[in-house]
Amino acid sequence: GQSLEQPSEVTAVEGAIVQINCTYQTSGFYGLSWYQQHDGGAPTFLSYNALDGLEETGRFSSFLSRSDSYGYLLLQELQMKDSASYFCASVNTGFQKLVFGTGTRLLVSP
Amino acid sequence: DTEVTQTPKHLVMGMTNKKSLKCEQHMGHRAMYWYKQKAKKPPELMFVYSYEKLSINESVPSRFSPECPNSSLLNLHLHALQPEDSALYLCASSPPTSGGYNEQFFGPGTRLTVL
Repeated sequence: GQSLEQPSEVTAVEGAIVQINCTYQTSGFYGLSWYQQHDGGAPTFLSYNALDGLEETGRFSSFLSRSDSYGYLLLQELQMKDSASYFCASVNTGFQKLVFGTGTRLLVSP
Repeated sequence: DTEVTQTPKHLVMGMTNKKSLKCEQHMGHRAMYWYKQKAKKPPELMFVYSYEKLSINESVPSRFSPECPNSSLLNLHLHALQPEDSALYLCASSPPTSGGYNEQFFGPGTRLTVL
């Protein structure tokens, strides 16, 4: 089976940098994705790490360390609109089932 | 067209009703999914269709019946639901490649309330 654990809530102020961690236990691992979901909205794909290291997409970066079974999402220059829930996710062996992490609610204050 | 559409946006139904949720995408994706999401919880996979064939059923009760009429459409038929089935039902699609399953495109969801 798979389990992906995240902190339940993170708070930060506008302009700051915040890191959302994800630790996982899986029987087979094929990379880590990150999704953003605003209240009442749909999950939106942010990034995918197939290999160890840092992937950068604008203000967002994602990191993966397979040896530590750990990844994180880094959000820079925080804006109020970044207040949302963030989920890490990973596909299982066989590739068809995407399992989501427990989710982190990010609250950005002025 | 890079979006997944879902209808209706909201649905209220009694436990004896029959209703259907609809999902459509025109991105040429050959994998489509139904998820159920409760408040403050992550999405939970219900069904996966790959090339219009049901490939995963996550032990979902038979009162939920999926259907994939063609490569662009996905339906979820609902019958004799329970109040605990009230949730946000999300449809998603992706290319059916090993990398594609990681990048799924979600529709806005149907907010279902069962009375």
